[in-house]
Amino acid sequence: NAGVTQTPKFQVLKTGQSMTLQCAQDMNHNSMYWYRQDPGMGLRLIYYSASEGTTDKGEVPNGYNVSRLNKREFSLRLESAAPSQTSVYFCASSEAGGSDGYTFGSGTRLTVV
Amino acid sequence: AQSVAQPEDQVNVAEGNPLTVKCTYSVSGNPYLFWYVQYPNRGLQFLLKYITGDNLVKGSYGFEAEFNKSQTSFHLKKPSALVSDSALYFCAVRPPASGTYKYIFGTGTRLKVLA
Repeated sequence: NAGVTQTPKFQVLKTGQSMTLQCAQDMNHNSMYWYRQDPGMGLRLIYYSASEGTTDKGEVPNGYNVSRLNKREFSLRLESAAPSQTSVYFCASSEAGGSDGYTFGSGTRLTVV
Repeated sequence: AQSVAQPEDQVNVAEGNPLTVKCTYSVSGNPYLFWYVQYPNRGLQFLLKYITGDNLVKGSYGFEAEFNKSQTSFHLKKPSALVSDSALYFCAVRPPASGTYKYIFGTGTRLKVLA
């Protein structure tokens, strides 16, 4: 009963380094999402994938790229990390239509120094 | 622009008292409405949803929410608060079908239940 699994849970990067955040879901959901959570700003959508083979920009896509590797996996890549990308990152998934709500992973706390 | 507002950054309530966490939205049409709860160092957990039907919906952990179309509000309520209800609560709206399934989240309200 894993749901949505994110790795790593914590990461410290130096400015300019790159990394990939991994996300996998085992609920056979079609849609997957990456959000960032910052104090006082709630959750902001970075990228989403409505279905396997498609990805689209969300509210704050600059500095990020994504890959929908297959139906289960949706990764988020920071090519050149900046301190402004210090945040908590959440992956989520939903069935097509989203009427049953999202299932969230437990998050990745990223610090860029 | 479509938006969700949670006007209170923090709500304090004594244990055993009723609680209300407010949410209003600005979305055209008939959106789907959700409440999520986040405990420290955890992801968001689904509490309840409104899609259609009865304006009062019941969810997990004794929470309920009242949908008011004329006021475009979806306030979260609980008749008797517990200390364990202390957490961060998010209201979310999914606009009517437009080919995407993106939710709009509020900024969150921290609920503190005092013993």
